[in-house]
Amino acid sequence: EAGVAQSPRYKIIEKRQSVAFWCNPISGHATLYWYQQILGQGPKLLIQFQNNGVVDDSQLPKDRFSAERLKGVDSTLKIQPAKLEDSAVYLCASSFNPGWGAGGTDTQYFGPGTRLTVL
Amino acid sequence: AQSVTQPDIHITVSEGASLELRCNYSYGATPYLFWYVQSPGQGLQLLLKYFSGDTLVQGIKGFEAEFKRSQSSFNLRKPSVHWSDAAEYFCAVGAAEYGNKLVFGAGTILRVKS
Repeated sequence: EAGVAQSPRYKIIEKRQSVAFWCNPISGHATLYWYQQILGQGPKLLIQFQNNGVVDDSQLPKDRFSAERLKGVDSTLKIQPAKLEDSAVYLCASSFNPGWGAGGTDTQYFGPGTRLTVL
Repeated sequence: AQSVTQPDIHITVSEGASLELRCNYSYGATPYLFWYVQSPGQGLQLLLKYFSGDTLVQGIKGFEAEFKRSQSSFNLRKPSVHWSDAAEYFCAVGAAEYGNKLVFGAGTILRVKS
């Protein structure tokens, strides 16, 4: 079974430029997550999709970050314009469904991440 | 809201020695608890999870963790560490009332010396 795919793996941009990241979740996974992992910190959830609808975007800086999940499969995360503090690894994860349920089947599977450096 | 504390930023152990990584959480009800491992340049891999039932949870790669409600802890253990276990370990807590969002600790970097 293929894992979560992300591209690009690395990106270097100047501040005030724009950048986009792409994520392809595991086939059949309804829920998709974008996390931001700043060096020395744990991942922080930016946005959670259930199919193509947003479940939680409370920690997404909406003045500069946007995300979409067209057709409930692939997703893109965009930053425009980028700031120095946006330098981080952006992780995409997916899970089969958002409900824990009996037995808890909702393991989140993570992609390798995109390392963004803003100069 | 839930929160997670991993008190140790770095831990160094000798190969073959036992390991315990600490994790303390803050949440009023019974949380869902996870341990993930992240190798350099890689995504996070789930080691084990606790949802309910037996408080001693077995995971992959010989890891186990014990949920202690009285101490609000979910420490990760391994009886004999291998050099390949060197990585960063993250504890995370989730809760259904928060939409199953995971909150991660800051991580513990494990170094293994031969």
